[in-house]
Amino acid sequence: NAGVTQTPKFQVLKTGQSMTLQCAQDMNHNSMYWYRQDPGMGLRLIYYSASEGTTDKGEVPNGYNVSRLNKREFSLRLESAAPSQTSVYFCASTPREFYEQYFGPGTRLTVT
Amino acid sequence: GQQVMQIPQYQHVQEGEDFTTYCNSSTTLSNIQWYKQRPGGHPVFLIQLVKSGEVKKQKRLTFQFGEAKKNSSLHITATQTTDVGTYFCAAAFGNEKLTFGTGTRLTIIP
Repeated sequence: NAGVTQTPKFQVLKTGQSMTLQCAQDMNHNSMYWYRQDPGMGLRLIYYSASEGTTDKGEVPNGYNVSRLNKREFSLRLESAAPSQTSVYFCASTPREFYEQYFGPGTRLTVT
Repeated sequence: GQQVMQIPQYQHVQEGEDFTTYCNSSTTLSNIQWYKQRPGGHPVFLIQLVKSGEVKKQKRLTFQFGEAKKNSSLHITATQTTDVGTYFCAAAFGNEKLTFGTGTRLTIIP
């Protein structure tokens, strides 16, 4: 039981490049989330998926898109990376909304 | 969106001293969760509080939810080096998504 896995662990992009961050959970959870963490800012919600087939914007969705591929997988795409998107990205899942969240190990992204 | 204030931002304590972090909101909360993040790690769930005035304990950690459900605190008694990390509260406002506080970074002086 791996819990929540994220790939890649580290990534360096040039401004304007695109990439997809992958997240998968093996706990049969319904809800999945993408957060970014910046120094002094806590965790800010980018997008979430309350259940398979649905996605909604969070607090900071600009510059990102998501896909809930199936119940297990929830990916985050940066179409044209900007230096302001340099951050640590965490994926999380929960059996139901407002229950405890299980976080993945994170992806450390640098955009130059 | 709703905001939750967490104080202090940093806390340095001697090993064996107590530590407290506070989470405050101007709006009534549905529930509040607490997470711990070790340096270089990911947030790990500690506890959830739902009821007004609720107090829960986990060994040396004591969690409280205010009577008005607008504030919460986490208190650690006799800190140890294993307590190092950042402690986050995460508040639920009605049916809105969880809002995380900015965290309190705890460092321990041996």
